[in-house]
Amino acid sequence: DAGVTQSPTHLIKTRGQQVTLRCSPKSGHDTVSWYQQALGQGPQFIFQYYEEEERQRGNFPDRFSGHQFPNYSSELNVNALLLGDSALYLCASSLVRELTQAYNEQFFGPGTRLTVL
Amino acid sequence: AQKVTQAQTEISVVEKEDVTLDCVYETRDTTYYLFWYKQPPSGELVFLIRRNSFDEQNEISGRYSWNFQKSTSSFNFTITASQVVDSAVYFCALSLAQGGSEKLVFGKGTKLTVNP
Repeated sequence: DAGVTQSPTHLIKTRGQQVTLRCSPKSGHDTVSWYQQALGQGPQFIFQYYEEEERQRGNFPDRFSGHQFPNYSSELNVNALLLGDSALYLCASSLVRELTQAYNEQFFGPGTRLTVL
Repeated sequence: AQKVTQAQTEISVVEKEDVTLDCVYETRDTTYYLFWYKQPPSGELVFLIRRNSFDEQNEISGRYSWNFQKSTSSFNFTITASQVVDSAVYFCALSLAQGGSEKLVFGKGTKLTVNP
C-alpha cells in the first residue's frame, strides 16, 4: 500500500520563475492538502482539494494555485517566485467521510524542498 | 482563529532521561482535535497521537504519554526513557472538528536532541 508520494524531492529555481510540485495521495484517499514549512517553522496550511475543487484556503497569495485531477493526484503551482518561497512543501492526503464529525487522518508525504535563488 | 504555541525551541537531554514537551493552544471552538507529530531529519511528518476536546483522559502508549488539560489549554507530551532515535523536531497541532479533513494549525516546533 503506497503512501503519499511527492515529486520532485528537491528543486532549485530563480526569482520570478514558476514552479509546479506534484503529489500522489495514499491509495484510497480523495483529499489532498498542501502545507508550506519555512526553515525553523511549523507547517502552514496553503489549501486543500476535494472533488477537484479548492475546499479550503489558508492565508497565501494568489500566486499559489493548485489543481486536483480525477485520479485524486494534485499539483501545487507557484508563480513569480520570491526568495521567501524557499521552503519544504508538504502534501497530506486523507479520505473525507461525509456526514460525520469524525476526524479523518491526514497522512503526510516526504515533501519537496524548494530553493529560490 | 486558532493558535498553537510551543515555548520550548530546543531541548537537549541525555539518553534514558524523561522529557516533556509543552504545548498551549487557543481556539474559541468547543470541538477540536489536538495532535503531536514528529519530524525526523528526513522531513516527513510522523503522526504520534491525537486527542479530541471531549476526552481529557490522559493515557500512556509505550514510552509516550500526554497530559491534556482544557482548563489551561495545554496538551503536553512526555517521552519516558528517551533514546537517541527520539531526536527530532516535535510539533503540536490543532484541528477543528467540522467534518471532513480540516486544516491543521501547527506550532513552531521543539527540537529535541537526545545525547548518548
